[in-house]
Amino acid sequence: NAGVTQTPKFRVLKTGQSMTLLCAQDMNHEYMYWYRQDPGMGLRLIHYSVGEGTTAKGEVPDGYNVSRLKKQNFLLGLESAAPSQTSVYFCASSSTLPGTEAFFGQGTRLTVV
Amino acid sequence: AQKVTQAQTEISVVEKEDVTLDCVYETRDTTYYLFWYKQPPSGELVFLIRRNSFDEQNEISGRYSWNFQKSTSSFNFTITASQVVDSAVYFCALSEAIGANNLFFGTGTRLTVIP
Repeated sequence: NAGVTQTPKFRVLKTGQSMTLLCAQDMNHEYMYWYRQDPGMGLRLIHYSVGEGTTAKGEVPDGYNVSRLKKQNFLLGLESAAPSQTSVYFCASSSTLPGTEAFFGQGTRLTVV
Repeated sequence: AQKVTQAQTEISVVEKEDVTLDCVYETRDTTYYLFWYKQPPSGELVFLIRRNSFDEQNEISGRYSWNFQKSTSSFNFTITASQVVDSAVYFCALSEAIGANNLFFGTGTRLTVIP
C-alpha cells in the first residue's frame, strides 16, 4: 500500500543547478499538491493540480514549475536553484470530495549551497 | 483571507500530564473544514482528525479530544495522560469549500513529552 511516494528523499544542489522532484500516488486521486515546509512557517502551498494536464499556482510559486502529464504523477521542477529554496518538500494528494483529508508523501529534504 | 494561528511554538510536559494545543482560524467562508496533523520526528505527516464547519460536536478518540467552537474560531486539541510517543510537531490546518481542498497550515506546535 504505497500511497504517495516521493523521490528523491534527500538532495544537495549547487546554486543555479536544476532538478525535478517526482511524486507518484496510487489512490486514483484527482487532486495533487506540492508544499514546502520551513522552520517556523508551517507548510505553504507551491502549486497544485486538479486533474491530469492541469496546474495552478499556490501561495509561493515563484522559482518552481510543475507538470501533471499523468494522473498519478506530479512533478516539481526547479530550473535554477537558489539557497532560499532550501526546504523540505511534501507532495500530497486528495480526492475531489470537499473537505477530504490529504495524504502526504514522506518528504524530500533539499539543500541548495 | 484564510489564516490559521498556533500561538504556542513549543510546549514541554511531563509524561502523564494533560496538554492542550491551541488553534485559532480565520476565514470568510461559511463552509470550511479544519484538520489536525501530527509530524513525528521521522518527518511524515499523519492525519488525525477533520471537522466541518457545521459540526461543532466535540470528539474523543482514546486519549485525544478536540474542542471546536465557532464562536471563538477555535479548534483546540487535548492529549490526556501524555506519553513519550506523543512527542511531535502538531499542525492545525483549514480548507475551504470552494477550491481544490488546498490546506492552509498553522506554523505548528512542537510538543515534547518528558519521561
